[in-house]
Amino acid sequence: DVKVTQSSRYLVKRTGEKVFLECVQDMDHENMFWYRQDPGLGLRLIYFSYDVKMKEKGDIPEGYSVSREKKERFSLILESASTNQTSMYLCASSLWGVQGGYTFGSGTRLTVV
Amino acid sequence: AQSVTQLGSHVSVSEGALVLLRCNYSSSVPPYLFWYVQYPNQGLQLLLKYTSAATLVKGINGFEAEFKKSETSFHLTKPSAHMSDAAEYFCAILHGGSQGNLIFGKGTKLSVKP
Repeated sequence: DVKVTQSSRYLVKRTGEKVFLECVQDMDHENMFWYRQDPGLGLRLIYFSYDVKMKEKGDIPEGYSVSREKKERFSLILESASTNQTSMYLCASSLWGVQGGYTFGSGTRLTVV
Repeated sequence: AQSVTQLGSHVSVSEGALVLLRCNYSSSVPPYLFWYVQYPNQGLQLLLKYTSAATLVKGINGFEAEFKKSETSFHLTKPSAHMSDAAEYFCAILHGGSQGNLIFGKGTKLSVKP
């Protein structure tokens, strides 16, 4: 069964901490994505990557960065966590062209206190 | 630019009743459209997709959707709701000119009453 694995389901961090959210896929997908999900706002794209070492900003990249050193791994970094980054974070991957759709991880619910 | 609009943030139906979740799209090119479902505290799961083949698309769990170009719609239906269908549903469209970005609607939360 194909999988996208996010390293943590729940995470609590303090304001100002550097936070790493890890995502690994085992499907040899070229594309990987990070979204945040907030009630009433749906899914908003933070960053995406079409290839190793490649990254592109999505709609809300401020306060975030990403790293893709290997094809299967896409990390989201909160440089200095703030309370307004409390959210559900979803990682997804897809083949080039996405006609098959995304495969999502189970999500990480991050609380910044 | 492509976009999708989901009509109704909350829909409530009785068990056994028809489920109809509405999605309208805007696109300057022939669209690729998707429906996803999210159960509580889980990621999103693909229900079905339209990629310019048959206009009536059948998905998992008895759901289907019909692409209607004249109405720019891609509504999701199920003839008879089950309690297990209670979840949030997202419509999405492939961003034109990209090699893989989906643009999601804001979601519709479906409640099923016994």
